[in-house]
Amino acid sequence: DAEITQSPRHKITETGRQVTLACHQTWNHNNMFWYRQDLGHGLRLIHYSYGVHDTNKGEVSDGYSVSRSNTEDLPLTLESAASSQTSVYFCASSEGTGGLREKLFFGSGTQLSVL
Amino acid sequence: ELKVEQNPLFLSMQEGKNYTIYCNYSTTSDRLYWYRQDPGKSLESLFVLLSNGAVKQEGRLMASLDTKARLSTLHITAAVHDLSATYFCAVALSRSNYQLIWGAGTKLIIKP
Repeated sequence: DAEITQSPRHKITETGRQVTLACHQTWNHNNMFWYRQDLGHGLRLIHYSYGVHDTNKGEVSDGYSVSRSNTEDLPLTLESAASSQTSVYFCASSEGTGGLREKLFFGSGTQLSVL
Repeated sequence: ELKVEQNPLFLSMQEGKNYTIYCNYSTTSDRLYWYRQDPGKSLESLFVLLSNGAVKQEGRLMASLDTKARLSTLHITAAVHDLSATYFCAVALSRSNYQLIWGAGTKLIIKP
């Protein structure tokens, strides 16, 4: 079965360190997204990609970067981790064709703590 | 700027009762989603609503969309404990733009 997997599930790091969160999908979806979830804010979009070599900034992109070298993967990098980046991170993908089938499939999430 | 507001943000109810969660959005959109999230878990798609007057039903949940009022509702009929979760609505910026703006979520607790 197709799926979307994130790793690690939990990560503790120190302020100033570079951290990379992995996201891998086997749906062959064009679109991939990274969100962070904080209490009271719902989900906020960090970065997104509509295809290989395409990346775009979302509403809370400062301090984060992504790259898309193939269809399956969209790693999220925190260049220099800050305590404000402590959050739960979700990766998601979608077909990119519009219509009723256009919905997001989410990974299991990564709980990141920056100390 | 598109904003999405859900209410209530918290709802505690008894099994067997009916209730409605509301999702208002601030600018025109023609694609709205409802998702469910169990504590500590990922998000699961419930409904996709594309057009004015669209109504979708799955079990005890029914979602509707009024694009003129910029309002979607998620109605729960005869609630059961298993429906306890946080429910999110999300609105697309446009039909061709796949970015979603999310509501803050409604935490629903259903007591036996």
